[in-house]
Amino acid sequence: AQTVTQSQPEMSVQEAETVTLSCTYDTSENNYYLFWYKQPPSRQMILVIRQEAYKQQNATENRFSVNFQKAAKSFSLKISDSQLGDTAMYFCAFMKPRGKGSEKLVFGKGTKLTVNP
Amino acid sequence: EAQVTQNPRYLITVTGKKLTVTCSQNMNHEYMSWYRQDPGLGLRQIYYSMNVEVTDKGDVPEGYKVSRKEKRNFPLILESPSPNQTSLYFCASSPLVGAEAFFGQGTRLTVV
Repeated sequence: AQTVTQSQPEMSVQEAETVTLSCTYDTSENNYYLFWYKQPPSRQMILVIRQEAYKQQNATENRFSVNFQKAAKSFSLKISDSQLGDTAMYFCAFMKPRGKGSEKLVFGKGTKLTVNP
Repeated sequence: EAQVTQNPRYLITVTGKKLTVTCSQNMNHEYMSWYRQDPGLGLRQIYYSMNVEVTDKGDVPEGYKVSRKEKRNFPLILESPSPNQTSLYFCASSPLVGAEAFFGQGTRLTVV
């Protein structure tokens, strides 16, 4: 079974600085999808970024980028120019592309990020 | 506006009193799913549905039921709620495997 590990339960960063959230996963699959979701205090789950494992290029979305290291099974999220609105819980998630288990997102336990003014 | 709508957002109930949490999506997605979120555990899948009348258990299905009679609706039923079902529940939908999952606003359930 796939597992996702987020080793940092809580982190904090100063406004305008850069922070990196760690995520590792365990799978025997060669192709899969990886996601970062943001959950602000409103509880809404918001997709931040999505990566397909067969793509070498790291995904980016404005201030958010990932460092995808397939051999190391690592998928870290970098937030540049942190803003107060980035304060949230961040979840890393994994999904298989087909077969049993492809019907669900496997989530890590989350990292609570606080951006300080 | 494309969205997944859950109701209610907050619910306090007593042990054993049957309840239903509704979920509706307006994006014509085939795939829908229920998750529960607990502190320190992340989100775990309860049940999912690949299409109308096609449902299956996720990782934590005990004590829950679902139905998918229409494509847009996927209610979560707790026949006899217990305190260990106190949690934050999310409904999600997506057009296909690997695509972005759209989540509802969440339902905070407390069973006393």
